[in-house]
Amino acid sequence: GAVVSQHPSWVICKSGTSVKIECRSLDFQATTMFWYRQFPKQSLMLMATSNEGSKATYEQGVEKDKFLINHASLTLSTLTVTSAHPEDSSFYICSARRTRPSGPSTDTQYFGPGTRLTVL
Amino acid sequence: KQEVTQIPAALSVPEGENLVLNCSFTDSAIYNLQWFRQDPGKGLTSLLLIQSSQREQTSGRLNASLDKSSGRSTLYIAASQPGDSATYLCAVEDTGGFKTIFGAGTRLFVKA
Repeated sequence: GAVVSQHPSWVICKSGTSVKIECRSLDFQATTMFWYRQFPKQSLMLMATSNEGSKATYEQGVEKDKFLINHASLTLSTLTVTSAHPEDSSFYICSARRTRPSGPSTDTQYFGPGTRLTVL
Repeated sequence: KQEVTQIPAALSVPEGENLVLNCSFTDSAIYNLQWFRQDPGKGLTSLLLIQSSQREQTSGRLNASLDKSSGRSTLYIAASQPGDSATYLCAVEDTGGFKTIFGAGTRLFVKA
C-alpha cells in the first residue's frame, strides 16, 4: 500500500530556532501535498497546500513567512517552522495526494504519521 | 465554506454494544469522505474511504454510509471491543482544491 513518512517523528527545540519537517511519499508520486496542525484535544486544521514546483497556498490565518513550505520534488515536501515559539508546539501531519503510478488509488490522499514539535 | 460536525463528541459504552457515530457536512460537493481512527498521541489510521459516487463501505466490524444529498455519514461499529477505544475522525475532501476538512472527532471509550 501507499506509504507516507515524516521525519523527524518528534523534535524538541529552543525558542527562536528553526525546525524542518520532511514529508515523503515512499512508493508513489504526489503533485500535491498538504500540511495540517493539531493542537491537544483538537482536530486537524489545514495549514497549507503544497504543489510541486510552485508556491504553496496558505489557509487564512497561517503566516507564510513563519511556516515555509518547499515542494521540490514529486516525493518530498518540507515544512520549516522559523523562529519557533512555545505556541508553535503542536502535532504536524502531512498528506500526499497520489498522482503516479496511476490506478484505482490515483487521487487518494495518504497521511503521514505526524511530527510532534515541542518548543521550550 | 465546508464545515464538518461530529456527534457525539464523546461516547462510553460497555463491551459488545453496537454503536453509531455521526458526521454531517454543509457542502454536498465532495470528492470523498473518509473515516479515521486516532489513538492518543498518535497519527491517523484510515478506516474507510467512501467515494462521492458510493453509498457505503465495509471493513470487518465497520460499516460507513454516505448520503451526500443530506450531507451525512455514519460509522457503524459492531460488537465493540475495548481495543476500539480511540478518537474517530470524519474528513471530507472537497472537489475544488481537494482540501480535506476534518470534524472535531468522537472520543470513544469501550469498557471491558
